Amino acid sequence: NAGVTQTPKFQVLKTGQSMTLQCAQDMNHEYMSWYRQDPGMGLRLIHYSVGAGITDQGEVPNGYNVSRSTTEDFPLRLLSAAPSQTSVYFCASSYDRVGYGYTFGSGTRLTVV
Amino acid sequence: ELKVEQNPLFLSMQEGKNYTIYCNYSTTSDRLYWYRQDPGKSLESLFVLLSNGAVKQEGRLMASLDTKARLSTLHITAAVHDLSATYFCAVRVSGGYQKVTFGTGTKLQVIP
Repeated sequence: NAGVTQTPKFQVLKTGQSMTLQCAQDMNHEYMSWYRQDPGMGLRLIHYSVGAGITDQGEVPNGYNVSRSTTEDFPLRLLSAAPSQTSVYFCASSYDRVGYGYTFGSGTRLTVV
Repeated sequence: ELKVEQNPLFLSMQEGKNYTIYCNYSTTSDRLYWYRQDPGKSLESLFVLLSNGAVKQEGRLMASLDTKARLSTLHITAAVHDLSATYFCAVRVSGGYQKVTFGTGTKLQVIP
């Protein structure tokens, strides 16, 4: 049981490049979310999904796209990387049941130069 | 817009002492979460609190929820070095689907 798997763990991008951060879970969780973590700012929600085919914007969605074609996968796409997107990105998933917290992936540390 | 405030932001305490971390939020919530994060690591779920007066305990940590005051506390009893970590509370707005907002975190350092 792998839980939530994020790839890559580290990435350096040049300004203007695009890339996709991968997230996969094998727990059949309905809910999946992407957060970014910056020093002194906690975690901020980028996008979230309540099931396959359903996504919505979080607090800081600009510059990011998501899709959820399957229950297992929830990739995050950076359209045109900017230095302000340098951060640690976490994917998380949860059951649609009362009392369950989120399971987090190990994170992707992204640097945009 | 939901705001979640934690205090203190940084806490240094000696082993064996007790202390409380506070989490205030600005609007009605139906779920409150506590997470732990070790340096350079991911987040680990500690507690999920659902209703007014809810109390949950795991080892030296006890979390409680007062929905009327929009306040949750994480109480640490007889701290040990292994509890050193950053603790986050997170709140879901009532009916807010899965938009969960995190506090800025409390970095706890337990000194032997």
